[in-house]
Amino acid sequence: ETGVTQTPRHLVMGMTNKKSLKCEQHLGHNAMYWYKQSAKKPLELMFVYSLEERVENNSVPSRFSPECPNSSHLFLHLHTLQPEDSALYLCASSQDASAHTDTQYFGPGTRLTVL
Amino acid sequence: SQQGEEDPQALSIQEGENATMNCSYKTSINNLQWYRQNSGRGLVHLILIRSNEREKHSGRLRVTLDTSKKSSSLLITASRAADTASYFCATDARSFGNEKLTFGTGTRLTIIP
Repeated sequence: ETGVTQTPRHLVMGMTNKKSLKCEQHLGHNAMYWYKQSAKKPLELMFVYSLEERVENNSVPSRFSPECPNSSHLFLHLHTLQPEDSALYLCASSQDASAHTDTQYFGPGTRLTVL
Repeated sequence: SQQGEEDPQALSIQEGENATMNCSYKTSINNLQWYRQNSGRGLVHLILIRSNEREKHSGRLRVTLDTSKKSSSLLITASRAADTASYFCATDARSFGNEKLTFGTGTRLTIIP
């Protein structure tokens, strides 16, 4: 185990549903990340939070809404998604709030299917 | 275009053989990392090599870095069935003033028992 947990592990939702993905890190890290992994495509960085403040939004559609209530928890709220949003969503954390290129620790991911 | 690209895309070898994967990148880097991902799971960090290092070892893993060729290789010696996974290189890249890790599409390694 990497010290980063994600729930749920699998999620199937319709395009009109609202759901949330949860990530929790038990490592005392100061930066947290959301990535999207689609088949045969490079891992896409979606959001970066540093000390609970969003420091990067990689042109992600507004139907994805992140929330970081404290340094240990990260949420991704989903609303009116499209079938092409189906993917593995990975959460990660790293130690240093200012160095986002150091070693990252990943959760097991949430496999999302949008019908 | 991708910052990091792994080669080959897929590799199958017999258990006990050595596996070599390569990564090429385009811009200058401060460090390069290799990660492993088992099917449907998260990525696990394997090793980090800094731009002023040429080679690094960790157990059965050997990583080399050639900054003049903008390439790195990952060698897994005496492969085991448990090494079956996808392997990704990640480079630090500066985008719009922010540094971030950029991953390639990975090499899918299959170890045949």
